[in-house]
Amino acid sequence: DIQMTQSPSSLSASVGDRVTITCRASQGIANYLAWYQQKPGKVPKLLINGASTLQSGVPSRFSGSGSGTDFTLTISSLQPEDVATYYCQNYKSAPFTFGPGTKVGIK
Amino acid sequence: EVQLVESGGGLVQPGRSLRLSCTASGFIFDHYAIHWVRQAPGKGLEWVSGINWSSGNIEYADSVKGRFTLSWDSAKNSLFLQMNGLRTEDMAFYYCVRGSLWLGGPFAHWGQGTLVTVSS
Repeated sequence: DIQMTQSPSSLSASVGDRVTITCRASQGIANYLAWYQQKPGKVPKLLINGASTLQSGVPSRFSGSGSGTDFTLTISSLQPEDVATYYCQNYKSAPFTFGPGTKVGIK
Repeated sequence: EVQLVESGGGLVQPGRSLRLSCTASGFIFDHYAIHWVRQAPGKGLEWVSGINWSSGNIEYADSVKGRFTLSWDSAKNSLFLQMNGLRTEDMAFYYCVRGSLWLGGPFAHWGQGTLVTVSS
């Protein structure tokens, strides 16, 4: 089974800061990688699929990159509404494992 | 509009059974993979099971294999998760999720979830 790890597990940054979250797969998954945002008390929301394709309606300050085993989610200018936990997910093959999540807060 | 509505959650004793339902609307039910994802309170996301209609392929996480079973009623656009031998570690919100045209694929549409509590 493919294991997904994320770092950091949590971070706190100022409004306007650039934030980077890293996701690593235990084996190559090409670009079959999704990022989800889950705000407190809400259902997860798909942000990015194919490692770098932004879902419709997602602000352009979000971007994704990577292929194979190493991936990155970047928020170019952190906003208060970005407070959430972010999960990466392998969707190349079952089990479609999620990373443990990165909790993003505001300083 | 794509909608997924879960039902059937509740309080159940360890070792007992529960059946969750997911009723879908706004898309052709058996054209898209549908999955169950769970989240224990305050914890991360765990994929549980999924079905690809075109191939008939059903997959389960190791943590539920042999205890949980997917079934469906296409006429009612409904998917069911039969959960037997429930354990305290199965306690979670269970989300019904629509995937893509194949079993893999990003999870673009989520239901609101139904809470399963396993406790004596």
